[in-house]
Amino acid sequence: EADIYQTPRYLVIGTGKKITLECSQTMGHDKMYWYQQDPGMELHLIHYSYGVNSTEKGDLSSESTVSRIRTEHFPLTLESARPSHTSQYLCASSGTSGSETGELFFGEGSRLTVL
Amino acid sequence: AQSVTQPDIHITVSEGASLELRCNYSYGATPYLFWYVQSPGQGLQLLLKYFSGDTLVQGIKGFEAEFKRSQSSFNLRKPSVHWSDAAEYFCAVDSGGGADGLTFGKGTHLIIQP
Repeated sequence: EADIYQTPRYLVIGTGKKITLECSQTMGHDKMYWYQQDPGMELHLIHYSYGVNSTEKGDLSSESTVSRIRTEHFPLTLESARPSHTSQYLCASSGTSGSETGELFFGEGSRLTVL
Repeated sequence: AQSVTQPDIHITVSEGASLELRCNYSYGATPYLFWYVQSPGQGLQLLLKYFSGDTLVQGIKGFEAEFKRSQSSFNLRKPSVHWSDAAEYFCAVDSGGGADGLTFGKGTHLIIQP
């Protein structure tokens, strides 16, 4: 059972609000990721991190930002939410040892709706 | 750049029947290959993965997949599906090391008929 947690699971907010989606993992993984998933579409990587103080932008351009101050914590922030940000956001982490190499462990997702 | 194609958007199968979900990848070398399953409102769960060695890989929930280099394919199979297998299935590829995440296909939505 993967130990990666996302909050909130569901969020409905108005345009212009600042929001932070939380992601925490207890597996000690160095690598963490944020994917954006629209219904019926593939997952698109928007941010990733190799470890503390490391953040990189993914394949899909996103107006969100991330931080990695602690190994276990990788929050995603939208400074001013817009309806185009409505989507599901999935956090994942991966280890580098043995059988875990390359495998992503996912949280249950945060479904964001911006009105 | 690597890419993953899942040609079937939807597949409907009767309960107890066999299943095959197709996945083709584009990558020069032998990639790491994965199949994930996503139930409604949930995150993704790993079904199985291929790194090297035996090209037939066994996974959880009775699933298996076969890597065919000549066809650049990694199709997922199950001999007899259960109603609980209804979900979204994603094939994914990694160029190696998982440094910048996996590249996912668009997914195949599996519907189980009673």
